[in-house]
Amino acid sequence: DTGVSQNPRHKITKRGQNVTFRCDPISEHNRLYWYRQTLGQGPEFLTYFQNEAQLEKSRLLSDRFSAERPKGSFSTLEIQRTEQGDSAMYLCASSNDRGNSPLHFGNGTRLTVT
Amino acid sequence: QQPVQSPQAVILREGEDAVINCSSSKALYSVHWYRQKHGEAPVFLMILLKGGEQKGHEKISASFNEKKQQSSLYLTASQLSYSGTYFCGTVYNNNDMRFGAGTRLTVKP
Repeated sequence: DTGVSQNPRHKITKRGQNVTFRCDPISEHNRLYWYRQTLGQGPEFLTYFQNEAQLEKSRLLSDRFSAERPKGSFSTLEIQRTEQGDSAMYLCASSNDRGNSPLHFGNGTRLTVT
Repeated sequence: QQPVQSPQAVILREGEDAVINCSSSKALYSVHWYRQKHGEAPVFLMILLKGGEQKGHEKISASFNEKKQQSSLYLTASQLSYSGTYFCGTVYNNNDMRFGAGTRLTVKP
């Protein structure tokens, strides 16, 4: 169990640029989640996958956000035409396919949009 | 669908007790509790299934009131290491998890 890995750890980008983050879950986990967290707030749900299927996407997520998990292993989260309001910590978590399975979080990618 | 946590913040002296509450407006499948220290990722503490009371971590226990759709986290004889922000995560219909805004706990010597 090597844990959930996220890359990069930090990303600074200019407004209007596109960014992509990667998450490698724990290998035997078939559920993968993306959350966004700003200072002093709880993780805000963005989307989740079961294997390669994206089962739910937050209504708060604009069309500029897209996520993929092409082979049911790693996942990418892309933000197009970044805005300053996108600045946050983006957390990835994985779990087994049971409602009583804990989420294992990665250390996150901190995005700063200037 | 986001659960509501209370209080927002708690300050304790070592050895004191605290209770953190989490409530939902929808029927829950399970409730998870996590602790996050500054600059780190949330770490799992325990899971409460319907009707379950479970002791899972150090001197921390929790309960789940299925009728009220509420869960409470009990921290007894608090230690300095308990400091951090506690989040409840609620699961509906065995699907995705939503987190509350968190309760910041500070334990002082």
